[in-house]
Amino acid sequence: AQSVTQLGSHVSVSEGALVLLRCNYSSSVPPYLFWYVQYPNQGLQLLLKYTSAATLVKGINGFEAEFKKSETSFHLTKPSAHMSDAAEYFCAVSFNQAGTALIFGKGTTLSVSS
Amino acid sequence: EAQVTQNPRYLITVTGKKLTVTCSQNMNHEYMSWYRQDPGLGLRQIYYSMNVEVTDKGDVPEGYKVSRKEKRNFPLILESPSPNQTSLYFCASSSLGSPKDGELFFGEGSRLTVL
Repeated sequence: AQSVTQLGSHVSVSEGALVLLRCNYSSSVPPYLFWYVQYPNQGLQLLLKYTSAATLVKGINGFEAEFKKSETSFHLTKPSAHMSDAAEYFCAVSFNQAGTALIFGKGTTLSVSS
Repeated sequence: EAQVTQNPRYLITVTGKKLTVTCSQNMNHEYMSWYRQDPGLGLRQIYYSMNVEVTDKGDVPEGYKVSRKEKRNFPLILESPSPNQTSLYFCASSSLGSPKDGELFFGEGSRLTVL
């Protein structure tokens, strides 16, 4: 069975600091992996996705994630946090590229302080 | 503008009073899905639809019904709401077989309270 675990329900960083949000997955077949972001009072929007083309995936707003099969991880990073990055971030896994059967992690809330 | 529209955005109702949350998308997407979001539990899929007249259960379908009579609409029906259905609900859609595969487009959410 597929599952995804996000380590840390809440991460706090200072503006300008590195952002690291952790995601580990389990899947019996090659997975497709996604990061979504939810800003306050809004729906989710896609940040980036891994679909086996390249292990380092670049997304919107300066975020990127690296797929590491040996570690079954897909951590999300950003070199320098902005106040506008404060949001909830969800890692998701799917066994099909269409992402039509997404299994979401429980989410990590990112707080950014000045 | 491409969008997924849900209504109502906020609703307070009482136990047992049937309600429908509508969802409409203007992107001609084949795939549509309903999720509920609860604190500490993330998003859980309720029902999904691969195309018109094709629907299937997700992870938490109990107490919900859906229909897909038209491609653009995918209403969520609570026949007899109970307090444990108090939640934030999201509708999402996606195309199948295009370069944009894998991107779910979400509505802004419907916050439902059942007293």
